[in-house]
Amino acid sequence: ETVMTQSPATLSVSPGERATLSCRASQGVSNDLAWYQQKPGQAPRLLIYGGFSRATGIPARFSGSGSGTEFTLTISSLQSEDFALYYCQQYNRWPLTFGGGSKVEIK
Amino acid sequence: EVQVVESGGGLGRPGGSLRLSCAGSGITFSSLWIHWVRQDPGKGLVWVARINSDGTKTTYADSVKGRFIISRDNANKTVHLQMNSLRVEDTAVYYCATDRGTYYVPENWFQSWGRGTLVSVSS
Repeated sequence: ETVMTQSPATLSVSPGERATLSCRASQGVSNDLAWYQQKPGQAPRLLIYGGFSRATGIPARFSGSGSGTEFTLTISSLQSEDFALYYCQQYNRWPLTFGGGSKVEIK
Repeated sequence: EVQVVESGGGLGRPGGSLRLSCAGSGITFSSLWIHWVRQDPGKGLVWVARINSDGTKTTYADSVKGRFIISRDNANKTVHLQMNSLRVEDTAVYYCATDRGTYYVPENWFQSWGRGTLVSVSS
């Protein structure tokens, strides 16, 4: 099983600042990496697929990068609605696996 | 964009059964792969099962293989997850999610998610 490790577990950021979240795969997954946002009591929302492609309706302040085993989600200027949990997911190897999540909280 | 709504969760007993449903909207629902993903209380996400557009191809996580059955009824735009031989560790919020892959090749990432349905397994 491909283990996905996210860091940091919690990131404290002020509104307007940049947030950088990392996701590491235990083995190479090419660009087959998606990012999701989840707020309390809500379903996850797709942000990024293919490592860097933004899903429909996702603001340009969200960007994904990386390939192989190291991936990054960057939120260029945090808005109030961006404080949430973020998960990465690989879909290159079976079974499909998610990271443990990174929480972005208000500093 | 297709929207999905889960139902059927509740309290189940160890060894018992529950049947979850995922109702879809939109004309393209019957052309989509559908997945079930669960989230353990306070924990992360775990993929459970998937089914292709016409119901002829199914795949399961090892943890549920032989106990859960995924099926679909495209006439009623519904996907079911029959959960048998329930275990305490099956307790989770169960989400269904859409996959815009082709008939033969799923994308295996999840475009639209429902709000989930809670399954609690306890004696």
